[in-house]
Amino acid sequence: DTAVSQTPKYLVTQMGNDKSIKCEQNLGHDTMYWYKQDSKKFLKIMFSYNNKELIINETVPNRFSPKSPDKAHLNLHINSLELGDSAVYFCASSRGVAEAFFGQGTRLTVV
Amino acid sequence: AQKITQTQPGMFVQEKEAVTLDCTYDTSDQSYGLFWYKQPSSGEMIFLIYQGSYDEQNATEGRYSLNFQKARKSANLVISASQLGDSAMYFCAMREGRRGSTLGRLYFGRGTQLTVWP
Repeated sequence: DTAVSQTPKYLVTQMGNDKSIKCEQNLGHDTMYWYKQDSKKFLKIMFSYNNKELIINETVPNRFSPKSPDKAHLNLHINSLELGDSAVYFCASSRGVAEAFFGQGTRLTVV
Repeated sequence: AQKITQTQPGMFVQEKEAVTLDCTYDTSDQSYGLFWYKQPSSGEMIFLIYQGSYDEQNATEGRYSLNFQKARKSANLVISASQLGDSAMYFCAMREGRRGSTLGRLYFGRGTQLTVWP
């Protein structure tokens, strides 16, 4: 049983396209996150949702829009993809202060 | 200022030896948590160990232990009896905020690439 599941694992797309990455957690956690890992492997928060409410919205281009249909799902939609959006995107979830579990990551390549 | 500093871009250790990966942090909060993650070449982020700022004992999980020195603001990861499968990137991270809060983001260091050789 995968606790935090992201799809797809790999995504190759052309500049200008719109794409979505889906995330689901079966841990019963209240808070979900999107992190971006750049080419130098640095991880940075993008968004956080708590019980479907947006809590953290970092300085991210508004081409990126998270959507949380319920507290088990947090999807990331990206419009008008650019070369610089190529990265690994991680979904994560937590309930207690000592928890933060990550999905397997989605490697996005924009060509 | 960086919240998390990992000063060792790469570390090498022989199989069965112990290794310490350094991590220092910067926060003015009294309540915070420190995490270590392992990222193998396959890419997933694997949670290893957690230490709360109020925890008096150093955290341990199997071969992993966290050497928490609050006054020095350091949270080093110690891996005992290294195995070839321990070769990976290791990230230190911190969550600030009120005790019990789940809303805090994780701040990550830039990672240490550990290579275990036979």
